[in-house]
Amino acid sequence: GAVVSQHPSWVICKSGTSVKIECRSLDFQATTMFWYRQFPKQSLMLMATSNEGSKATYEQGVEKDKFLINHASLTLSTLTVTSAHPEDSSFYICSRQSGNQETQYFGPGTRLLVL
Amino acid sequence: RKEVEQDPGPFNVPEGATVAFNCTYSNSASQSFFWYRQDCRKEPKLLMSVYSSGNEDGRFTAQLNRASQYISLLIRDSKLSDSATYLCVVNGYSSASKIIFGSGTRLSIRP
Repeated sequence: GAVVSQHPSWVICKSGTSVKIECRSLDFQATTMFWYRQFPKQSLMLMATSNEGSKATYEQGVEKDKFLINHASLTLSTLTVTSAHPEDSSFYICSRQSGNQETQYFGPGTRLLVL
Repeated sequence: RKEVEQDPGPFNVPEGATVAFNCTYSNSASQSFFWYRQDCRKEPKLLMSVYSSGNEDGRFTAQLNRASQYISLLIRDSKLSDSATYLCVVNGYSSASKIIFGSGTRLSIRP
């Protein structure tokens, strides 16, 4: 069964609005979770590492003030896309590491379309 | 040069055929290697890990060549359900920030 869930699975919003995406680790208390973005026909790109109880670590080129990450509990991380614009339309996927930390379990993803 | 490179395809093969993909990586210090499968509009799912000794799981065989820095995936007796994008994933270090995804190889199996 699924080990990571995401909500919502898809969202359509107007330009300028903020969108919150939730990611839950269902079977494991995850101190660290990850947020990826995937544009059509491209590979997954890591946006940030979400750390429970502390600030997220952002990858180079990702605006931390635009993509707000909160990891308030060991099972929930949220990504808020603030003042979304059409270029933010993408497939956002969260993940947690496997027990041996070698690989990842992914959530089902959230498809965002900004009009 | 990309850190992980894959032939984007698409590979279009008949059902029952054998198909092979290669993936090259640039960081010789990379530690772990995986093949993931991603269906259209879905999240990636782990298909198999790749070891130097090679590993096989049913119709799927994965191999690693550290000297030439490539990994391969062989699918035998392909099924319609094998149609998907196959992602090569390389983990350089224990930190997830060093997990690098290839852009994927699209496979389409025709009846």
